[in-house]
Amino acid sequence: DADVTQTPRNRITKTGKRIMLECSQTKGHDRMYWYRQDPGLGLRLIYYSFDVKDINKGEISDGYSVSRQAQAKFSLSLESAIPNQTALYFCATSPSPGGGNTEAFFGQGTRLTVV
Amino acid sequence: GNSVTQMEGPVTLSEEAFLTINCTYTATGYPSLFWYVQYPGEGLQLLLKATKADDKGSNKGFEATYRKETTSFHLEKGSVQVSDSAVYFCALSFWNAGNMLTFGGGTRLMVKP
Repeated sequence: DADVTQTPRNRITKTGKRIMLECSQTKGHDRMYWYRQDPGLGLRLIYYSFDVKDINKGEISDGYSVSRQAQAKFSLSLESAIPNQTALYFCATSPSPGGGNTEAFFGQGTRLTVV
Repeated sequence: GNSVTQMEGPVTLSEEAFLTINCTYTATGYPSLFWYVQYPGEGLQLLLKATKADDKGSNKGFEATYRKETTSFHLEKGSVQVSDSAVYFCALSFWNAGNMLTFGGGTRLMVKP
């Protein structure tokens, strides 16, 4: 089983619909992140969370919201989807600082298409 | 703010050719530097990393050296294989400031037999 699991893997939705992307992890990490990948732009940070009670906006948070239901679960919501939110979405985790460990672990991605 | 610039692709090489993918960064302070690889239909995997100046990261025949003086972290491999075909991302983060990654735009590598 993957350490970082995203559901669904693919989703097509209509403009104006609410959609939730889910992420769960078995790595025991406190830190979780949502990124969006667009061609030629790399990945950009949407939201991040350092623990259940700590949620922070990233570079491109407009139009998105998140929920950290538990240490292992971090969901991304699009309240009213629009076509320019069509992208590949990645969840990632990393350990809290300690010994300078800096590696992030990524899920397999959710391909979202808004029509 | 922080930024990462890497060469645009696609890069097309024949098997056993030498690979260089350039990466430069702009940041305040001394970030950790990474190369991530994305194989078709998969998420990102860490390929290698370096956490301080002059460190060399290496893995699977790939290497990159953290050059503070040129703010660069170029990826190299002496002999590529078809199985190396993927998208490569250069990235930076500060472990004491949240570990959020700043990515370059990605470089697609295609290796032909």
